[in-house]
Amino acid sequence: QLQLQESGPGLVKPSETLSLTCTVSGGSISSSSYYWGWIRQPPGKGLEWIGSIYYSGSTYYNPSLKSRVTISVDTSKNQFSLKLSSVTAADTAVYYCARSIGEGTVTTGYWYFDLWGRGTLVTVSS
Amino acid sequence: SYELTQPPSVSVSPGQTARITCSGDALPKQYAYWYQQKPGQAPVLVIYKDSERPSGIPERFSGSSSGTTVTLTISGVQAEDEADYYCQSADSSGTYPWVFGGGTKLTVL
Repeated sequence: QLQLQESGPGLVKPSETLSLTCTVSGGSISSSSYYWGWIRQPPGKGLEWIGSIYYSGSTYYNPSLKSRVTISVDTSKNQFSLKLSSVTAADTAVYYCARSIGEGTVTTGYWYFDLWGRGTLVTVSS
Repeated sequence: SYELTQPPSVSVSPGQTARITCSGDALPKQYAYWYQQKPGQAPVLVIYKDSERPSGIPERFSGSSSGTTVTLTISGVQAEDEADYYCQSADSSGTYPWVFGGGTKLTVL
C-alpha cells in the first residue's frame, strides 16, 4: 500500500528557507496518473494548498505563495521536495504531502487528494 | 483569489442529520471534494466528484450539488463523526487548481 512520509527540520529561523522532502513508498512516483502536492495547516487554522508537481517536473503553485515556493521531484529516489524561502512566523504550520488523482489537465480537468502523509510541524522562530 | 465558503461550525445530536455547506462561484462547473480531519490526524477523503464515496467510507456520508453550493450530509451522526470537515475544489480559470474551504467544525452534542 502506497505511503507518503514527510521529513525535514522542525525548526527554521526567520528569513531562512524551509526545506521538506516527501518520500513515496509502496508505489512509483513516476505514474502518469498522479500529481504530488504540498498542503499546510497553521496551528488551529484551515488547510492551504501550496503547490503540486507531476513526475515530469511540471509544477503548479498557489499564486499567493508562488514567489517563495519551489517544488521539485527526484524520480530516482521516489521523492518530491518543497522549498519555501524568506520564512516568517506566519509560515509556522503542519506541512502535509499528498497524492492527487483526477482526470484531464490540471487547468481543465478535475483533481483531488486521495492519500496524505501524516504531516510534519515546522516552527519558524529564532 | 478564489474562495470556498463554509460555516465555521455545525452542531447536531447523535442520530440526527448533519449538513455542511460549501459555496463558491465555480462550483456549477467544478467538482467538489470533502475531507474529514480529526485532531492530530491528516485529512481523509470522504466524498469525491460531488457525491461519490471512496471505499471504506460509511454510507451515512453523502454529497450533493446545487448551483454554487455543495453539501456534505451525514445521516445518523455518530460521536466518532465529530471532526473538522473541509471542502476542496478549483476555480474556473485554472489559476487555483486546488483550493480548500475554511473548514467546518462538526460537534456532536
